[in-house]
Amino acid sequence: GAGVSQSPRYKVAKRGQDVALRCDPISGHVSLFWYQQALGQGPEFLTYFQNEAQLDKSGLPSDRFFAERPEGSVSTLKIQRTQQEDSAVYLCASSLEVAAGGGYEQYFGPGTRLTVT
Amino acid sequence: AQSVSQHNHHVILSEAASLELGCNYSYGGTVNLFWYVQYPGQHLQLLLKYFSGDPLVKGIKGFEAEFIKSKFSFNLRKPSVQWSDTAEYFCAVNPSDGGYQKVTFGIGTKLQVIP
Repeated sequence: GAGVSQSPRYKVAKRGQDVALRCDPISGHVSLFWYQQALGQGPEFLTYFQNEAQLDKSGLPSDRFFAERPEGSVSTLKIQRTQQEDSAVYLCASSLEVAAGGGYEQYFGPGTRLTVT
Repeated sequence: AQSVSQHNHHVILSEAASLELGCNYSYGGTVNLFWYVQYPGQHLQLLLKYFSGDPLVKGIKGFEAEFIKSKFSFNLRKPSVQWSDTAEYFCAVNPSDGGYQKVTFGIGTKLQVIP
């Protein structure tokens, strides 16, 4: 079956430009997550959606980062006025559910590699 | 807040050697634990998970991990590695003491298996 897809796969932006990154989760997956992975680091949590509700945005590094999932399926991560420190791979993951004990298996997309020049 | 430490950032082994990758977490309560793997050119995928029950967890491709609560550890093991195990391995944790909580990943360990 289809996995999580992300587009574009690569994005080069000049400093100060706005970018929009798209994530198509696995059909039927209620939960959607965005992560930022800098070179040589593990994924760092950005934000979490349950259906269309953004329940956790504690990881968004600044108010230049904004995410939405208006119909509870596709999600967009927008970065305004990009800075060089925003250069990273942005990963999207989806999950069918969060278990009673808070555990959930995440299915990751291929990521979008953002380079800010 | 929770944190994860992976002790070895780069490991090189010959085929058939045994593997143990260290993972320690910091959190005062109960946790869910994960190992994710990223093979070259592929997506990050789940290798195995511990939510509750038997602390010895078996995953795909012959991997296993043991949760030792007293040591706050969840080390990954495989008795005999293959060249196809070359990948980056991430340990991850999230608290299990109440509904949704975010997952925190370690820095990752790159494993290179030499034929």
